[in-house]
Amino acid sequence: AQSVTQPDIHITVSEGASLELRCNYSYGATPYLFWYVQSPGQGLQLLLKYFSGDTLVQGIKGFEAEFKRSQSSFNLRKPSVHWSDAAEYFCAVSGGYQKVTFGTGTKLQVIP
Amino acid sequence: EAQVTQNPRYLITVTGKKLTVTCSQNMNHEYMSWYRQDPGLGLRQIYYSMNVEVTDKGDVPEGYKVSRKEKRNFPLILESPSPNQTSLYFCASSSTMGYEKLFFGSGTQLSVL
Repeated sequence: AQSVTQPDIHITVSEGASLELRCNYSYGATPYLFWYVQSPGQGLQLLLKYFSGDTLVQGIKGFEAEFKRSQSSFNLRKPSVHWSDAAEYFCAVSGGYQKVTFGTGTKLQVIP
Repeated sequence: EAQVTQNPRYLITVTGKKLTVTCSQNMNHEYMSWYRQDPGLGLRQIYYSMNVEVTDKGDVPEGYKVSRKEKRNFPLILESPSPNQTSLYFCASSSTMGYEKLFFGSGTQLSVL
């Protein structure tokens, strides 16, 4: 069965600092990988997705993620965090024409 | 504007009183799904639908029902709510299951007393 692990429940970074959120997945074949963001009181919004091709994927709001098959990872990065990035971030995996399985989320706090 | 609309936004009810949470999408999506979000557990799928009259159980279907009589609507029914169903619920839709991004509603915060 497919699964996603986000090892960091909560992360605090200073505004302007770089950010990396970790995601490890379990899936037997080539996965479809997603990062979603949930701002307080709102639904989830897609940041980026990976299906195939270039392993470095660019998303909205200046985020990027890198697919590393050998490490079963899909970490999310941003070079300089803004206060508006404070939110909860979810990594998700799918096998294609299958349901999407979400991780437990990482809450990001941004301090001035 | 493309959107998924859920109602109500907040709901407080008592144990055993039947309730329905509505979900509607205006994107002609075939795939729709319900999730519940609980602290430390992330999003867990309750039920999903591949198309009209086609529904299937997700990971946590006990105590819930769904129907898909029209493509745009996918209501979630709790026939006898219990306190362990207190949660934040999200409806989502996409053009296909698993490949394309999910569009989420704004959520329904349910409290069962």
